[in-house]
Amino acid sequence: EAGVTQSPTHLIKTRGQQATLRCSPISGHTSVYWYQQALGLGLQFLLWYDEGEERNRGNFPPRFSGRQFPNYSSELNVNALELEDSALYLCASSMTFGTGRHRGYGYTFGSGTRLTVV
Amino acid sequence: DQQVKQNSPSLSVQEGRISILNCDYTNSMFDYFLWYKKYPAEGPTFLISISSIKDKNEDGRFTVFLNKSAKHLSLHIVPSQPGDSAVYFCAASVEDSNYQLIWGAGTKLIIKP
Repeated sequence: EAGVTQSPTHLIKTRGQQATLRCSPISGHTSVYWYQQALGLGLQFLLWYDEGEERNRGNFPPRFSGRQFPNYSSELNVNALELEDSALYLCASSMTFGTGRHRGYGYTFGSGTRLTVV
Repeated sequence: DQQVKQNSPSLSVQEGRISILNCDYTNSMFDYFLWYKKYPAEGPTFLISISSIKDKNEDGRFTVFLNKSAKHLSLHIVPSQPGDSAVYFCAASVEDSNYQLIWGAGTKLIIKP
């Protein structure tokens, strides 16, 4: 079974530019979560998509946005990049929330995209 | 407002001995707790979990203990092996938050040969 795949692995952008990060969940998983891990910090929740809709977002400015496609893959867009956006961005997928099975058991993470803003 | 705290950024343990990783939380509504393990350049992987109705859950070398009165949980690894060297994250969730996981900052475990 293929795991959660994220692309690109590394991304270098200039301050003010836009970055697009992509995530493909495990087959059968309908929920996708985005997290930011800045240097020395834990995982900060960004966004949760389920069945194509945004279900929840963390405490991040609106320039962090995303979407989920009909095949459940997802994009994270970061506009007007700032130096402090440099971080590892992790995507995770799980079974649909309603079953309750995603309470930890079903969170599978990708290897992340390392975004560097210069 | 850090609801889940892992106060030890790192921990060094001799191979074969017990590793104890600690996690404290402030939200008494948390009803499910999880531990994840993360190697460099990889995403976290689920390790073990515990529901708030239990005080202990064991899976092979890994045991998680929950002390609800102290709002504290710990992960015990016995015996510690070199492959256990990784960053360990504690996470918690509460039903009212749509099961969102709240994460600690992580503890880097180093197993010395």
